[in-house]
Amino acid sequence: QSALTQPASVSGSPGQSITVSCTGTSNDVGAYNYVSWYQHHPGKAPKLMIYEVSNRPSGVSNRFSGSKSGNTASLTISGLQAEDEADYYCSSFTNIYSWVFGGGTKLTVL
Amino acid sequence: EVQLVESGGGLVQPGGSLRLSCAASGFTFSSYDMHWVRQPTGKGLEWVSVVGTAGDTYYAGSVKGRFTISRENAKNSLYLQMNGLRAGDTAVYYCTRNLDRWGQGTLVTVSS
Repeated sequence: QSALTQPASVSGSPGQSITVSCTGTSNDVGAYNYVSWYQHHPGKAPKLMIYEVSNRPSGVSNRFSGSKSGNTASLTISGLQAEDEADYYCSSFTNIYSWVFGGGTKLTVL
Repeated sequence: EVQLVESGGGLVQPGGSLRLSCAASGFTFSSYDMHWVRQPTGKGLEWVSVVGTAGDTYYAGSVKGRFTISRENAKNSLYLQMNGLRAGDTAVYYCTRNLDRWGQGTLVTVSS
């Protein structure tokens, strides 16, 4: 199972919005609404930000939103804040009862 | 408060074995699927294995036949028995509850 494709890096200024894409195939992202997004500060535990494409866990800011079209899912962060600077990973359930992650996207807040 | 604490990582020679443990607290352990996910140094996350509430298990192709996941509900504990370790298995290993809550990870280094 190949990793989902994410851009290596994105950047934005405080207050701006950014979008991170996550491209898979018809065997994973395109087949199931089980796409999640994680925020990972190095050395800490990854944190779930979005589950089932567009749902936010309790306590996650509404500045984070998710969507999906075909084989590509997207994470949008609006009103960028310095604390949002981190690595972001998408994941999807697959048709061979496994999970696959993206390669990760480093978000830099300028 | 949900807590997941991994242990058992360390340095092991190629071909060797290691058993990771994860102590869970703050939730009804037996009611959740439990996963192991790893992150090689400088690389992205990689799903390793899952054990369901009924004890059903699934593995990534890269570890199938070498790793065994198990759970002991009475002790609120998750395990990963790793045999035939290779340099490519070097990573931080995370225990996760249903991929929604994660531990801090334990480092496994496979090197001679």
